[in-house]
Amino acid sequence: GDSVTQTEGPVTLSEGTSLTVNCSYETKQYPTLFWYVQYPGEGPQLLFKVPKANEKGSSRGFEATYNKEATSFHLQKASVQESDSAVYYCALSEMGYKLTFGTGTSLLVDP
Amino acid sequence: NAGVIQTPRHKVTGKGQEATLWCEPISGHSAVFWYRQTIVQGLEFLTYFRNQAPIDDSGMPKERFSAQMPNQSHSTLKIQSTQPQDSAVYLCASSSGTGDAEQFFGPGTRLTVL
Repeated sequence: GDSVTQTEGPVTLSEGTSLTVNCSYETKQYPTLFWYVQYPGEGPQLLFKVPKANEKGSSRGFEATYNKEATSFHLQKASVQESDSAVYYCALSEMGYKLTFGTGTSLLVDP
Repeated sequence: NAGVIQTPRHKVTGKGQEATLWCEPISGHSAVFWYRQTIVQGLEFLTYFRNQAPIDDSGMPKERFSAQMPNQSHSTLKIQSTQPQDSAVYLCASSSGTGDAEQFFGPGTRLTVL
């Protein structure tokens, strides 16, 4: 079946530094790719959908580009803020509805 | 828009008891999903309804777990004879149901089986 592998956490950064969370996948199909964010006590919420191969998705200063050849779509942000502290999940969609999630990367940003 | 509503937020059961979890999807959404979240397994797909019909239950444990959607305004996940390994956060999500439409998650029900 499909699988998604992402950077192990936790990741601790100082405010203003850059973030990269690596994510790669294996699937026999042509997937739709997503980044989700989860705050304590809440369900995951969509950060953005990565639209097409070699195109960039972005939201709230976060961005990711889908590299079809490398089957990867790493999450990046140039300058993190304390409010970015959360758990980040990459995910892919099977058959247009079923989400397969990575293991999650916990980010803690020190002010 | 209140978002996806899940009740109860926390549930504690004894081993062997039954647990019923409730989900109210966003009004107008035709797709409802259930996922389970644990430290060990992470986020796992359980089951999917579209227009109240069960479409894919491939993630549901074959025994003791069942899900229903009797009307467009709520879905239930029932676990019979709960076991400690069923302890998890159960998340319900809904979407407009078109293509890869965004899934909106509820806050989850934390089930603890003693």
